Parts: sequence; structure tokens; C-alpha cells
Amino acid sequence: EVQLVESGGGLVQPGGSLRLSCAASGFSFSSYWMSWVRLSPGKGLECVANIKEDGSEKNYVDSVKGRFTISRDNAKNSVYLQMNSLRAEDTAVYYCVTTARGCENWGQGALVTVSS
Amino acid sequence: DVVVTQSPLSLPVTLGQPASISCRSSQSLVISGGLTYLSWFHQRPGQSPRRLINRVSNRDSGVPDRFSGSGSGTDFTLKISRVETEDVGVYYCMQGSHWPFTFGQGTRLEI
Repeated sequence: EVQLVESGGGLVQPGGSLRLSCAASGFSFSSYWMSWVRLSPGKGLECVANIKEDGSEKNYVDSVKGRFTISRDNAKNSVYLQMNSLRAEDTAVYYCVTTARGCENWGQGALVTVSS
Repeated sequence: DVVVTQSPLSLPVTLGQPASISCRSSQSLVISGGLTYLSWFHQRPGQSPRRLINRVSNRDSGVPDRFSGSGSGTDFTLKISRVETEDVGVYYCMQGSHWPFTFGQGTRLEI
């Protein structure tokens, strides 16, 4: 059974940083693109970033370019999202998702709240 | 960016009756090799989204056969043949053909 467990969410002030982690199990992690997708009341669902199986290719939505960094460690079956210079509009539930084009499996989500 | 537009945004239905949701994209979702990456998701209150349909019409494992997807190019439809209580929630379509991949606004189905 595919399991994706996010951690690292929380309350942060504008301009601050957070690092989300996602521990994956139940599938051949190193064979799959991985993605981060967020859900916010204002913008709905948004694909934030994705990363190729070997980490050689990464894509970001324009609104997070230069501020967020996606990475992975295939030895640890984990994917990460480093979020810097956080803004109020980054407030959302962040989901770790398998594959890129199809968003096949979703974690339970991590709530990130950016507020002073 | 590809804009994905769903309609209706709210869908009141009667148990046992059919339901249909439309999803339109601002450009064709057909990419090299003739593939079309259009997926449908269902999110129940307090839960993560669950994928129902991938690549327009392929039902995911465990998805009841009352759900079906169809369409091509820029125009797609999700149909529920007979709505059941467990089908309430929000339905989203998503295009995975052109980065950034984008979702529709969501359709809230209520009994």
C-alpha cells in the first residue's frame, strides 16, 4: 500500500522559512516523479513543484520560483520542499503526491500558516 | 498557463439519479504521442483528494464503475450514472499536459 506522510508544517511569520518532508513507502520511490500540490481557500488546488526520478529535473510554478526548492533523497525514500521568504498567500495545506502528470497518490497534507 | 474551467460549480443531485460535470481547457491537452493528461479527483470533507480517472477515461483501481470520463482536445466530462451518498464532496479536473499543471475550480456535489 502506498503511504505518503508529510511533516514540518506549522505557523511562520511572513518572510520566514519552513521545510516540509514527505516519507514515502509501499512503492518503488526512485522510479517515480514526485510533486507538491497545495490547497488554499483563495486559490484552490495548485501544483507547486515537481521533481524527476533522479532529481535531475525540477519544475516550479511562477509564484514560488526563487523562493521554494524541491529535492529528494532516494536512499531515504523522501522528498522535501524548502520554503523561504514565505508570504501570507502561501498559507495552504501542502500535499505530497506521486507522479507528476497524473497526481496518482496523495498524502494526508501538512498545514502551513503564514501570519504575524 | 492553461486555464481549466469547470461547470457547474455547485451540483445538487438526487440519490440514484445521474450527474455530470464539465471541464474545459484553454488549449488542447493533446501532447506528443497523442497522449492527453486529464484527470478527475474527488475530495470528501476532511480528506485528501483521491484520483478517480486518469488520462481522460481510465478508472483508477477500486473506483466504482458508475464513474466514467470522456472527452478530447479541450472538452471533457465526468459522469456518475447513479449518485450514492458517499459521492458527496468536491470534484476537480486537472490537466497534466502543459506545465504548470492546473486544476479546475472544483464542483461541489450535494445531495
